[in-house]
Amino acid sequence: EAGVAQSPRYKIIEKRQSVAFWCNPISGHATLYWYQQILGQGPKLLIQFQNNGVVDDSQLPKDRFSAERLKGVDSTLKIQPAKLEDSAVYLCASSTDRAYEQYFGPGTRLTVT
Amino acid sequence: LAKTTQPISMDSYEGQEVNITCSHNNIATNDYITWYQQFPSQGPRFIIQGYKTKVTNEVASLFIPADRKSSTLSLPRVSLSDTAVYYCLVGEARVTGGGNKLTFGTGTQLKVEL
Repeated sequence: EAGVAQSPRYKIIEKRQSVAFWCNPISGHATLYWYQQILGQGPKLLIQFQNNGVVDDSQLPKDRFSAERLKGVDSTLKIQPAKLEDSAVYLCASSTDRAYEQYFGPGTRLTVT
Repeated sequence: LAKTTQPISMDSYEGQEVNITCSHNNIATNDYITWYQQFPSQGPRFIIQGYKTKVTNEVASLFIPADRKSSTLSLPRVSLSDTAVYYCLVGEARVTGGGNKLTFGTGTQLKVEL
């Protein structure tokens, strides 16, 4: 079974630029999650989708971050404009309705200079 | 929202049993306890999940006392490859309309040596 795919794996941008990350979840997984993991910390949930609807975006900085999941499959997370403190690994995960068993992708390491 | 507390780090030697305890005093009736493992440069990986008493799978055991205010992840006979960060999470088991708010803490860095 193919795992969660993410791209790009690495990205370096300057502050105030924009960036987008892509995620393809495991086939059949209705729930998709985006996490931000800053070095030395645990992953922080940014947004959770159920099919193509948002069920939790309470920790998403909506002034600069946006995410969409068209057709309930792939998802993109965008940051515009980026700040230095956005430097982190952005993890995508998916699950069935068993929320406790999430499958994570390899992540995208973002460096903002 | 149940908050979890676990040791920042633990050291062990190959072949030993490792027990990592997590405190979750405010756990709700509908909450389950889940543990994840994370290696450097990888996403977390699900290890085990339970509600009460004891759960065992091919990787680990999870012990949950009757009051469910804490849980202990037990790794039998660890090896060097078990060196990783281990996270304890508490939250609803099934996806809900309001989001599950599974929160990762800072985790426990386990270091296994020869």
